[in-house]
Amino acid sequence: QKEVEQDPGPLSVPEGAIVSLNCTYSNSAFQYFMWYRQYSRKGPELLMYTYSSGNKEDGRFTAQVDKSSKYISLFIRDSQPSDSATYLCAMSGSGNTPLVFGKGTRLSVIA
Amino acid sequence: GAVVSQHPSRVICKSGTSVKIECRSLDFQATTMFWYRQFPKQSLMLMATSNEGSKATYEQGVEKDKFLINHASLTLSTLTVTSAHPEDSSFYICSARGALYEQYFGPGTRLTVT
Repeated sequence: QKEVEQDPGPLSVPEGAIVSLNCTYSNSAFQYFMWYRQYSRKGPELLMYTYSSGNKEDGRFTAQVDKSSKYISLFIRDSQPSDSATYLCAMSGSGNTPLVFGKGTRLSVIA
Repeated sequence: GAVVSQHPSRVICKSGTSVKIECRSLDFQATTMFWYRQFPKQSLMLMATSNEGSKATYEQGVEKDKFLINHASLTLSTLTVTSAHPEDSSFYICSARGALYEQYFGPGTRLTVT
């Protein structure tokens, strides 16, 4: 079993839809959780950062962490064509350990 | 948000030459930086962890004599690809760790070895 599982997609939605992206993980020691957006031929951009369990909202983005289920989600409201990118989840157990990444989900928002 | 820059953004070099890539944290200090490699349509592959003032820690399978990493200050880490070969052609991305252990990535450097 891989440490972090993420459906690679591709996921195609119409403009204005709510998008739900998620990752599952197996290491119960993970406590730092991040979501990144990566456009083609660019470095990943940090969208959301969450420590331990709970929800966090920033504009159209909401991140949820459920440590009991080892499941994290990213919701995008009112999706736009500019949201078309690959979304990567990432997590680590302590501040000194490298991030473990999911394989990324390719999202296309169709106008 | 925190900004990380990389230079150059793309470089073409001849086989056998060396190439240096710079990674800078522009508005924060980073005691730890990371170097990744990414192949098309694949996820990031961690190459090494760079700590300011000490030797880098390389991931298994990464040749430390080929990929030289120096982290001489709290805002600068460099990756030198020595004696480059066509198989070293790739997208190299650095990241810097923030105060809350989040990571900020640079825009990447596309290396092509001819």
